[in-house]
Amino acid sequence: GENVEQHPSTLSVQEGDSAVIKCTYSDSASNYFPWYKQELGKRPQLIIDIRSNVGEKKDQRIAVTLNKTAKHFSLHITETQPEDSAVYFCAASPGGGTSGSRLTFGEGTQLTVNP
Amino acid sequence: DGGITQSPKYLFRKEGQNVTLSCEQNLNHDAMYWYRQDPGQGLRLIYYSQIVNDFQKGDIAEGYSVSREKKESFPLTVTSAQKNPTAFYLCASSITSGGAIEQFFGPGTRLTVL
Repeated sequence: GENVEQHPSTLSVQEGDSAVIKCTYSDSASNYFPWYKQELGKRPQLIIDIRSNVGEKKDQRIAVTLNKTAKHFSLHITETQPEDSAVYFCAASPGGGTSGSRLTFGEGTQLTVNP
Repeated sequence: DGGITQSPKYLFRKEGQNVTLSCEQNLNHDAMYWYRQDPGQGLRLIYYSQIVNDFQKGDIAEGYSVSREKKESFPLTVTSAQKNPTAFYLCASSITSGGAIEQFFGPGTRLTVL
C-alpha cells in the first residue's frame, strides 16, 4: 500500500517569512495530492491540491510543487501570518480503481508563526 | 458547518463496552470514511465505503465495525476488542468520480475510555 512521509514534524517561523513542508510517497500509481490545514480543535480543511499532470499550482500565498520522478511534493507558504499557525497534512491518493478515492495521510507538521 | 455531521462531540465509555459513533452527510456523496487521529500520528484510515451496502477495511480496522445501509449514514462501532480506543475520530465524505475527490470532514468525536 501507499506510504506517505512528511517533514518536518514541527516548524517555527517569524511572521513574514516563508514556510516549506515536504512529503514523499511510495506508490507510483498515486495521482492526486491534497494538503489539509487543521486548526486547533477543528476539522481538517482542504487548502490546495495538485494532480499528477501538473508540476506546480499556486493560490495566493500558497503553492504546491510535485516531482513525480522523485515521488515528492511540497507545500510553500509565503509571507506567513499568525493565522497560518496550524497542523498541515499532506496526502496521496490513487484516484481510482479498487481503492477509489481513499487518501493516505502524512503524520502532519505543526506550523507556528511567531509575531 | 453543515454538510457532514458527527455526534456526539464527546463520548465517554467504560472498558469492555461497545460504543457507536454517528456520521451523517447531506452532500449526496457516494464515499464515506472513518479516520482515527492520535497526537503526532496524523490521520489513519479505519474503514471506508464507496457505495451503499459495501465497505472496505482501512489500515487499522481491528476492533472496529461499520455499516452502510443508507447513502447518508456511515456509523462506526468501537468494540471492546479495540485495545486503545481513546482518540479523536473523524468522519469524511467525497464523490468518487470525475477527478475531484476532495474529502470533506465532520467536526469529529472525541472518545475517552474510563
